[in-house]
Amino acid sequence: AQSVTQPDIHITVSEGASLELRCNYSYGATPYLFWYVQSPGQGLQLLLKYFSGDTLVQGIKGFEAEFKRSQSSFNLRKPSVHWSDAAEYFCAVVPMDSNYQLIWGAGTKLIIKP
Amino acid sequence: AAGVIQSPRHLIKEKRETATLKCYPIPRHDTVYWYQQGPGQDPQFLISFYEKMQSDKGSIPDRFSAQQFSDYHSELNMSSLELGDSALYFCASSPGGSSSGANVLTFGAGSRLTVL
Repeated sequence: AQSVTQPDIHITVSEGASLELRCNYSYGATPYLFWYVQSPGQGLQLLLKYFSGDTLVQGIKGFEAEFKRSQSSFNLRKPSVHWSDAAEYFCAVVPMDSNYQLIWGAGTKLIIKP
Repeated sequence: AAGVIQSPRHLIKEKRETATLKCYPIPRHDTVYWYQQGPGQDPQFLISFYEKMQSDKGSIPDRFSAQQFSDYHSELNMSSLELGDSALYFCASSPGGSSSGANVLTFGAGSRLTVL
């Protein structure tokens, strides 16, 4: 079945440490790929997106993500997290053959230790 | 920069009542999407509109209806409310119609509906 998987429900990192959030998808063709962040009680904000071209994409707030076709992955990274990064992060895809429906991962909650 | 505006931000209703949520898209965005996010869940697509016509339908209950008006704002009408309808309802907008997967959705802050 076509799906988006975020294997980590929660991740805890220390402030200043590096971060990697995992996202895998299972679609025949490479879909459009997105990472959104949701702060508590807030809306969903786009961090970055991949459509084509350079597989390493830069986003807002110092985030980046790398598309790896061979692994069907689009992992989100940040070299040094800040306490304000505590939020829930959603990976989402738009399959090539869809009528533009975002298919969402279950989300990863990021907890920052002081 | 203008964002997607949703109102009300919070709404409390009782079972079997009716609720209406409003969404004002970013200027010049002609496509609007509605999502429902239950507690601890990922957003679920409900319905979308392009140029005032329904363009796609997801898991929207029959008790719900929505429309997009001539000024491109959209309203989600929910009737015979149930406890399970308690959720955060997001509206998102994008330019250029929903047929292009390259469109990027901009989300509003959401409307939190609590059904007692």
